[in-house]
Amino acid sequence: QQQVKQSPQSLIVQKGGISIINCAYENTAFDYFPWYQQFPGKGPALLIAIRPDVSEKKEGRFTISFNKSAKQFSLHIMDSQPGDSATYFCAASIMNNNDMRFGAGTRLTVKP
Amino acid sequence: SAVISQKPSRDICQRGTSLTIQCQVDSQVTMMFWYRQQPGQSLTLIATANQGSEATYESGFVIDKFPISRPNLTFSTLTVSNMSPEDSSIYLCSVDARNTGELFFGEGSRLTVL
Repeated sequence: QQQVKQSPQSLIVQKGGISIINCAYENTAFDYFPWYQQFPGKGPALLIAIRPDVSEKKEGRFTISFNKSAKQFSLHIMDSQPGDSATYFCAASIMNNNDMRFGAGTRLTVKP
Repeated sequence: SAVISQKPSRDICQRGTSLTIQCQVDSQVTMMFWYRQQPGQSLTLIATANQGSEATYESGFVIDKFPISRPNLTFSTLTVSNMSPEDSSIYLCSVDARNTGELFFGEGSRLTVL
């Protein structure tokens, strides 16, 4: 089922730094690219999402960059905070068939 | 958003037994999805459950092992049958409550099989 490749597996960033997580996909039919944030003991929660008609989407400190030709997208967390420490999953789906595929996840640790 | 409640939140079970996980949503939804998240791993779709029809299973998952019920538009159950330690995972219920492709997840049911 793994059609979305995510890196790095883990990431340690100092408070105030920029966290960058990358994903690549194979299926060119994917048209919805969300990022999910998961804290220990909780279910994943949608953080931010993008569709392929734009190259960037920003919500507060979180930005998705999307490169359709390279079939890659990334999550940037600006001014990273200890409260951002969580596991982040990228995903991709075809909107009308609800078939969402998840990346392997990145465990982010933000050190104070 | 959707509020999704799962029961049990966690359980420890003996090998060879079966456990049924319940998922209740606070709104009517067409499709409900069951995912498995093995320790430290990503989410893998087990099956899609539509009300009034048989669930659709992903490759590697079969109905005899993971029977699913969907009696109405707000409720579903997933049973993990004849459990082995390899079934130790978090099982997550998910819905697309707004028909936008955005999935909402329950908090999961953490299953440990001894």
